[in-house]
Amino acid sequence: NAGVTQTPKFQVLKTGQSMTLQCAQDMNHNSMYWYRQDPGMGLRLIYYSASEGTTDKGEVPNGYNVSRLNKREFSLRLESAAPSQTSVYFCASSDQGAYNEQFFGPGTRLTVL
Amino acid sequence: AQSVAQPEDQVNVAEGNPLTVKCTYSVSGNPYLFWYVQYPNRGLQFLLKYITGDNLVKGSYGFEAEFNKSQTSFHLKKPSALVSDSALYFCAVRDLETGGFKTIFGAGTRLFVKA
Repeated sequence: NAGVTQTPKFQVLKTGQSMTLQCAQDMNHNSMYWYRQDPGMGLRLIYYSASEGTTDKGEVPNGYNVSRLNKREFSLRLESAAPSQTSVYFCASSDQGAYNEQFFGPGTRLTVL
Repeated sequence: AQSVAQPEDQVNVAEGNPLTVKCTYSVSGNPYLFWYVQYPNRGLQFLLKYITGDNLVKGSYGFEAEFNKSQTSFHLKKPSALVSDSALYFCAVRDLETGGFKTIFGAGTRLFVKA
């Protein structure tokens, strides 16, 4: 099992460019999440998908869109990147149920110039 | 609103000594609490969780945590630290007010274990 995979690992964008971060999980989890990690701020939830076909906003959704393509895949899109979106992005998945732990991907380090 | 606080940015401990990484929480109702560890340039890994039952929870790599309802704390502990335990540790709580899908993370505590 690969667990949670993310592509790309690194990306540099210019302000105003767009890109899509890809995430896939092979654990048959219903729920998937996108977080950003900034120094001293822990992880903040951008969007989540409780189950296939549903998506909801998290704590910091502005400037992002998501697509739950199928049960395995959950992508995050930046339509017009801004320097404030420079961060490390993590995808995670879990079984449905608040008592279940999350499994994280290795992260994408994004720099917006 | 539910929240998690990790009062120490950094904890230093000598190898072989016991370690404690502190976490306090503020929730309405019963908390679902988690500890995760992050090694350099890696994603977070689950260590342990408290959902209900015994206040002392045992997890991976010899870690344990004690749930204290009266002090609203969930401190992470290990009897004997290893250099390889050096990492960033996050305490987290599930936000049950919004259906439990949102997890609120603390800011993280960096643990340095010196040989």
